[in-house]
Amino acid sequence: DQQVKQNSPSLSVQEGRISILNCDYTNSMFDYFLWYKKYPAEGPTFLISISSIKDKNEDGRFTVFLNKSAKHLSLHIVPSQPGDSAVYFCAASDTSNSGYALNFGKGTSLLVTP
Amino acid sequence: GAGVSQSPRYKVAKRGQDVALRCDPISGHVSLFWYQQALGQGPEFLTYFQNEAQLDKSGLPSDRFFAERPEGSVSTLKIQRTQQEDSAVYLCASSLSRVGSYNEQFFGPGTRLTVL
Repeated sequence: DQQVKQNSPSLSVQEGRISILNCDYTNSMFDYFLWYKKYPAEGPTFLISISSIKDKNEDGRFTVFLNKSAKHLSLHIVPSQPGDSAVYFCAASDTSNSGYALNFGKGTSLLVTP
Repeated sequence: GAGVSQSPRYKVAKRGQDVALRCDPISGHVSLFWYQQALGQGPEFLTYFQNEAQLDKSGLPSDRFFAERPEGSVSTLKIQRTQQEDSAVYLCASSLSRVGSYNEQFFGPGTRLTVL
């Protein structure tokens, strides 16, 4: 049962514009959320995270928004650059569980065109 | 090395063979995770170690899968009598995490296993 869902398999955005990647989750015990970026033949690389006590976290061009009542989070990339083209995974964790194993979505493939 | 390393990077096995996948975590990282990523899917949790103790193995799909981390550093994921459905990328991740705090997980490049 997929507890973290990324309903858009792919997204194409023009360079300089905003990229918005969405993620929904079903488990109300999730209290820590992360975005990972993945290039082909490489492991996922941590991008940005947010705790459930916050509704926004910003790091440079990347901002994550969390709407707990809707069980929804989004990643905004502004401005988008061609080097941002990759697969982005949303992940969630229940930190009351030992180990903090991550539950991942299926990923969204972002293509930023010049 | 600076990051998590995994070997081999690619492994082809005939159905029924046993395979062993190695993970070298970042030095000093307490926690170590194994994930399985099937084609077109996100990584799925397999098992978790805190130092040498395997604290959660709820994600292992069958008793053919076995993981160990005997000295609290290097870990090996072993798959016995491989089946075609075991074909996937196996990712290892490590983190500083101790119970009561959260730290990000750093992933290795993965081992792509193909079972013929």
